[in-house]
Amino acid sequence: SQTIHQWPATLVQPVGSPLSLECTVEGTSNPNLYWYRQAAGRGLQLLFYSVGIGQISSEVPQNLSASRPQDRQFILSSKKLLLSDSGFYLCAYDRGQGGSPLHFGNGTRLTVT
Amino acid sequence: KQEVTQIPAALSVPEGENLVLNCSFTDSAIYNLQWFRQDPGKGLTSLLLIQSSQREQTSGRLNASLDKSSGRSTLYIAASQPGDSATYLCAVRYGNNRLAFGKGNQVVVIP
Repeated sequence: SQTIHQWPATLVQPVGSPLSLECTVEGTSNPNLYWYRQAAGRGLQLLFYSVGIGQISSEVPQNLSASRPQDRQFILSSKKLLLSDSGFYLCAYDRGQGGSPLHFGNGTRLTVT
Repeated sequence: KQEVTQIPAALSVPEGENLVLNCSFTDSAIYNLQWFRQDPGKGLTSLLLIQSSQREQTSGRLNASLDKSSGRSTLYIAASQPGDSATYLCAVRYGNNRLAFGKGNQVVVIP
């Protein structure tokens, strides 16, 4: 079966500190991988997506970056966090085939203080 | 640009009543539509996926219909239970593998 792991579940970081959120997928090869941010009342915002190792597309210019060092690993990073980076971050994947469903991890609640 | 709307943003129903949630989208050229459930502080759980060629999908007490030409999908939850309380989101896949999400319907089932 396919599963997706995302950690940590919660994180409190000071302004200016670095960030690294990790997401891994099991049970499928060459998935499409996604990072979303969810803000209250504003819905889901796509941050990055990847169709393969080293292939990253950015949807919104911001203080964040993403990397895909392995086929089933997706990392969201920042060198210096801003207060505005606080939010709920969700990793997701699909199998990259037409019509395949999207599956989400449990999310990371990031609070920048 | 594809826009997805879910109205109302929040609703309450007494336990046992059927739930009807609506999702509308502006561009009918979609590949599929997916319904999700989200509990507070958690990720999204996939409920049903309807391909563009399908009219409906069913899973247990859940039934989702799709009318692509009118840009609408409806999620029915039969005989609602307090455990059905959650936020329900719909998403459409369109264009070059793009996804557009609604903001969700926050549902409370009152015992």
